[in-house]
Amino acid sequence: DTAVSQTPKYLVTQMGNDKSIKCEQNLGHDTMYWYKQDSKKFLKIMFSYNNKELIINETVPNRFSPKSPDKAHLNLHINSLELGDSAVYFCASRPSGTGDGEQFFGPGTRLTVL
Amino acid sequence: RKEVEQDPGPFNVPEGATVAFNCTYSNSASQSFFWYRQDCRKEPKLLMSVYSSGNEDGRFTAQLNRASQYISLLIRDSKLSDSATYLCVVHSQAGTALIFGKGTTLSVSS
Repeated sequence: DTAVSQTPKYLVTQMGNDKSIKCEQNLGHDTMYWYKQDSKKFLKIMFSYNNKELIINETVPNRFSPKSPDKAHLNLHINSLELGDSAVYFCASRPSGTGDGEQFFGPGTRLTVL
Repeated sequence: RKEVEQDPGPFNVPEGATVAFNCTYSNSASQSFFWYRQDCRKEPKLLMSVYSSGNEDGRFTAQLNRASQYISLLIRDSKLSDSATYLCVVHSQAGTALIFGKGTTLSVSS
C-alpha cells in the first residue's frame, strides 16, 4: 500500500554503465517529479511530468532521460554514468488541483558510481 | 545570493526547549512557502505550509514576512522525535519547481 515507490533502493555500479530507476505512485496524482539530493544534502529538481507530458526540465545533462509510460509511472534512465552522478534520487508526486507545495516523496534511490 | 538560505546548524537542544529556525529567500515574486521535514536517510515530508498571517500546528508555528523575504519555524517543548533536518521551501509560480533550502539540522537530547 506504499504511496510512492521506487526501485531499486540501492544501486552500485561502475562508471560508464547505463542504469534505470523506476518510480510508481498509486495515489492517482497527475504530476510527478525527479529530484537529486547530493552529498551536501542539497535537494534539486531535475524533471517534472504532468499527465505524461514534460513540464519542467532543469539544466540536467542529456545523459539523464525521464520516461513516463503512464501518469502513474515516471522512470529515470541514466547513460554513461559518472562519479558525480552519485547521489540519492527521489521521485515525488503531487495531487491535482492543489498547490505545488504538497508533494509526496518516494523513499529514494541511493546511487553510488564507482 | 542563493535562492533559499538557511542556517545549517546543527541546533543541539535539550528536551523541552524552544527552538527557532530562520530562512530567507531571494525571489520577491515567490508565492508559496513551506517547511518540510527530512529524517536521516529518509524522504522529505511536508510539515506545514506558511501563510502571511502565521499559522500554528500543535507545537509548531510558522511565520512569513514578505517585506523582509523571511520565513521562520518555531518549535516549542521539543521532543526527541523532533530530531531531523528542517527544509525551507519556496515556490515562485505554478508550473515551476519548488526551491529547497539546504536544511537546518535539529538534534534534541534527553
